[in-house]
Amino acid sequence: AQRVTQPEKLLSVFKGAPVELKCNYSYSGSPELFWYVQYSRQRLQLLLRHISRESIKGFTADLNKGETSFHLKKPFAQEEDSAMYYCARADGGATNKLIFGTGTLLAVQP
Amino acid sequence: EPEVTQTPSHQVTQMGQEVILRCVPISNHLYFYWYRQILGQKVEFLVSFYNNEISEKSEIFDDQFSVERPDGSNFTLKIRSTKLEDSAMYFCASVPSGYGNEQFFGPGTRLTVL
Repeated sequence: AQRVTQPEKLLSVFKGAPVELKCNYSYSGSPELFWYVQYSRQRLQLLLRHISRESIKGFTADLNKGETSFHLKKPFAQEEDSAMYYCARADGGATNKLIFGTGTLLAVQP
Repeated sequence: EPEVTQTPSHQVTQMGQEVILRCVPISNHLYFYWYRQILGQKVEFLVSFYNNEISEKSEIFDDQFSVERPDGSNFTLKIRSTKLEDSAMYFCASVPSGYGNEQFFGPGTRLTVL
């Protein structure tokens, strides 16, 4: 079964510190990977997807097929980055449903 | 900007009762999904819906669950006889079409079964 692993439930950093949220996936062909974010009391929203290779709100994520990873990085954390971050992959099947990791709560301290 | 909406935001029900969770996907979207998240666990796929029929369902989506798109706008999830373990956050999502597209999520309905 396809899996997405986020090893950290909580990541606490100080404002201005670098952030790396880890995500590993089980290998299966060419994965389609996403990072979704959920701010307090808001809906899940797309932050990044690997096919677009863009930077959103200063976050980047690089697909490393050798390590089967898709870690989310930001060089300087801001307090407003505090949220729940979910790594997900599309399963590539008929419906391309999403398979989520368990999520990492990022807490940025002032 | 159009958004997926869900009602109610919170539903409390007694074990064994039927519940209907409602979603209004974004109007020109073609693929619809229900996911759920039990407290402290990951978001899990329940069912997908395309062209007025179920296209895929998970093991969780047993005979107690059903989905409908009764009027071309609403997309409902019905649980016929709720169990305690059905308590969860239920998310609806929709996609315009095809692969590589962002899934747009609703705000969720928190279902509490007593």
